[in-house]
Amino acid sequence: AQSVAQPEDQVNVAEGNPLTVKCTYSVSGNPYLFWYVQYPNRGLQFLLKYITGDNLVKGSYGFEAEFNKSQTSFHLKKPSALVSDSALYFCAVRDGGTNAGKSTFGDGTTLTVKP
Amino acid sequence: KAGVTQTPRYLIKTRGQQVTLSCSPISGHRSVSWYQQTPGQGLQFLFEYFSETQRNKGNFPGRFSGRQFSNSRSEMNVSTLELGDSALYLCASSLGGEGHHEQYFGPGTRLTVT
Repeated sequence: AQSVAQPEDQVNVAEGNPLTVKCTYSVSGNPYLFWYVQYPNRGLQFLLKYITGDNLVKGSYGFEAEFNKSQTSFHLKKPSALVSDSALYFCAVRDGGTNAGKSTFGDGTTLTVKP
Repeated sequence: KAGVTQTPRYLIKTRGQQVTLSCSPISGHRSVSWYQQTPGQGLQFLFEYFSETQRNKGNFPGRFSGRQFSNSRSEMNVSTLELGDSALYLCASSLGGEGHHEQYFGPGTRLTVT
């Protein structure tokens, strides 16, 4: 079975400060990892993914994430937060061992960036 | 390219009725997945279709079913609706090939069961 944990329900940061949204995962095969963002009354939007290669992946809107195999983590980061980054963020994992795998999502972390 | 579209956007049904939701994926995407989103349970995977075949299924009762057509459009059906089926149902499409598993989500269908 695969699972994702987002240990923080809520993350608050001041605009201009760096932000981190945490994610840890468990999967039997090679992990395919994703971050999605959901703005109010809208569907989820893909931010970035890790499939293989460099542990630091860059995505949309200045976000990046670091894959750490030993800690089974895939934390989302941004050097300087914007108020418009305020949204609900989901981490997801998929077993890379099969194309027929399903994506398992974390419970989500609400990011609030204050001016 | 146009994004993923879902119809209808809002739906109100009565317990015991059945409902069909529709999803049109991004052009060229062959994989369509369905999710149920609720405040208490988060995002729960329902099923995934690829080239008209169900590739994987989540832990939902048989009242939940789906299908995919040759043009990759997908429908999801829920029979004998229960109050607990009230949720936002999200459809997501992806290319589905090796390394292309990021999903693109539609706006969802908000189902309310009374």
